[in-house]
Amino acid sequence: DAKTTQPPSMDCAEGRAANLPCNHSTISGNEYVYWYRQIHSQGPQYIIHGLKNNETNEMASLIITEDRKSSTLILPHATLRDTAVYYCIVRLWSSASKIIFGSGTRLSIRP
Amino acid sequence: DAGVIQSPRHEVTEMGQEVTLRCKPISGHNSLFWYRQTMMRGLELLIYFNNNVPIDDSGMPEDRFSAKMPNASFSTLKIQPSEPRDSAVYFCASSTPGLGVRETQYFGPGTRLLVL
Repeated sequence: DAKTTQPPSMDCAEGRAANLPCNHSTISGNEYVYWYRQIHSQGPQYIIHGLKNNETNEMASLIITEDRKSSTLILPHATLRDTAVYYCIVRLWSSASKIIFGSGTRLSIRP
Repeated sequence: DAGVIQSPRHEVTEMGQEVTLRCKPISGHNSLFWYRQTMMRGLELLIYFNNNVPIDDSGMPEDRFSAKMPNASFSTLKIQPSEPRDSAVYFCASSTPGLGVRETQYFGPGTRLLVL
């Protein structure tokens, strides 16, 4: 079973920041938080991951609370192309570890 | 790099027929994963390989499903005999070797299977 809880859907105005929350209260010390997204009819796409520090890349920022029980994915300037299902996942850092996808958050960007 | 390549992209078959899905991982990746996605069950991991060896096949639905990875550049997922409930999108993913902190899975475009 997935170890994360996400709202089933959210919406955001184009050009604004989209903040997607995720709860992972049972995360263990050696588990990372990963975010993927799936645009309609495509395979999931990696966005970002982190352990305990906040992370930023060209796609998004990841804010992890100090107790690591929750995190927020931030898309700083949402565009229509960011409409997708966003999955928050916790997993071991081993390259052979599997990903268990939950139901994700369906993000809709409105013009 | 062309990314993960899957074939066919679409498959329509009749119940009872054998179906073979193919995957070519990204060159240099040493882990390969097969997932299935349906509206009812979401995205499920079926099986994954590390260095061509099956590591965890606990997600394979039943004996009708089998997967092989004869070499580092090719894997197959076979369904024999197929049933209508096998209709789904099947994704293959591969991941980079070594340092887990940099590892991420890259997904193919998927094979859309319809069993009539």
